[in-house]
Amino acid sequence: GAVVSQHPSWVICKSGTSVKIECRSLDFQATTMFWYRQFPKQSLMLMATSNEGSKATYEQGVEKDKFLINHASLTLSTLTVTSAHPEDSSFYICRTTGENPEAFFGQGTRLTVV
Amino acid sequence: SQKIEQNSEALNIQEGKTATLTCNYTNYSPAYLQWYRQDPGRGPVFLLLIRENEKEKRKERLKVTFDTTLKQSLFHITASQPADSATYLCALAPSEDDKIIFGKGTRLHILP
Repeated sequence: GAVVSQHPSWVICKSGTSVKIECRSLDFQATTMFWYRQFPKQSLMLMATSNEGSKATYEQGVEKDKFLINHASLTLSTLTVTSAHPEDSSFYICRTTGENPEAFFGQGTRLTVV
Repeated sequence: SQKIEQNSEALNIQEGKTATLTCNYTNYSPAYLQWYRQDPGRGPVFLLLIRENEKEKRKERLKVTFDTTLKQSLFHITASQPADSATYLCALAPSEDDKIIFGKGTRLHILP
């Protein structure tokens, strides 16, 4: 199946700084990448959908100026959490879609803002 | 409102027994339903997909059923093993735009 590589797997940053999370599709071209956030014991919540070469579509309640998504190529999508605050601490996961259409997820990034 | 519910937050099953997890949904008419496994600190991994015109799907020790009348899917693990301990997520796509909706998951513990 398809492989999505997500980095970093964990990051600790100071409040007010920005953090970039990368998702690379290793053996296929990911036209669309979905970004999720997951709090402990909660379901995956879709934040935004990015399509290669166009602006991302954000879900209701997600600040587009705070969570910057770039999908400049068919193999790389990035999520930048700008001016991070402790309440942004969460598990962030990207995913794309295979042909069946099962979802292929990155390994996830545990963000802790201190 | 539209909901997808996995009505057991946690489930303990003795090793060797069959584990059965339930997923119910309301106000959706999905073309298919999926099950994923998620280990702590990791992204979900796809297990099985079942389409609306399929009653049952099997893969090794896994079996999924899909009842569109009851709006329910059951996920079975037979001959369960401690290595099957994980959180299992039910997911469906309510429309053609590929925005998959996930349940909260059921944490399954297989007791040796």
